[in-house]
Amino acid sequence: SAVISQKPSRDICQRGTSLTIQCQVDSQVTMMFWYRQQPGQSLTLIATANQGSEATYESGFVIDKFPISRPNLTFSTLTVSNMSPEDSSIYLCAGGFYSNQPQHFGDGTRLSIL
Amino acid sequence: GESVGLHLPTLSVQEGDNSIINCAYSNSASDYFIWYKQESGKGPQFIIDIRSNMDKRQGQRVTVLLNKTVKHLSLQIAATQPGDSAVYFCAEGSGSNDYKLSFGAGTTVTVRA
Repeated sequence: SAVISQKPSRDICQRGTSLTIQCQVDSQVTMMFWYRQQPGQSLTLIATANQGSEATYESGFVIDKFPISRPNLTFSTLTVSNMSPEDSSIYLCAGGFYSNQPQHFGDGTRLSIL
Repeated sequence: GESVGLHLPTLSVQEGDNSIINCAYSNSASDYFIWYKQESGKGPQFIIDIRSNMDKRQGQRVTVLLNKTVKHLSLQIAATQPGDSAVYFCAEGSGSNDYKLSFGAGTTVTVRA
């Protein structure tokens, strides 16, 4: 399995600012994903991070709001742009070796916007 | 739209008893199913998965059952321990959708000493 590390683990931000979350995997994974989890809720897929090309976003999520980079097979970033209180959530990175095998998750970034 | 859901949001279990967590799915095209455990302040941790060509799979103290006829998935935990207290999520994926996972609502399991 892959070990996923995220930074920062938590942050408190002012509305209107942007925050970039980093995700580092200890091995070269084929797939990387970004999820959002509202407190006490389930996980919602934001996008699939594609190496060397634009991320694939799910319905309701757009690149201008959540730009994603994936420069190589072990690293990805998610930026939450122009934040509002509604963006307060847990953001989780996941990685996997093959599409029909388990994804492994980091411990998430707990984001609060004031 | 298609969804994955859980029958019960909470489950209280006596330590040492067996736990059964249920999950219903509605996407008949789903062919991959997975259970995760999420402890407070942590990310989801993989427990066990099953493919649609199987109806049962066993791991260490856990068993997943898949009933494709009624689109039902369950996770059985044997001899539940205090460390099993967590939120449990089922998720499903489909080869026709690149196996992107769709998560259920989650069941909170509390183990009573």
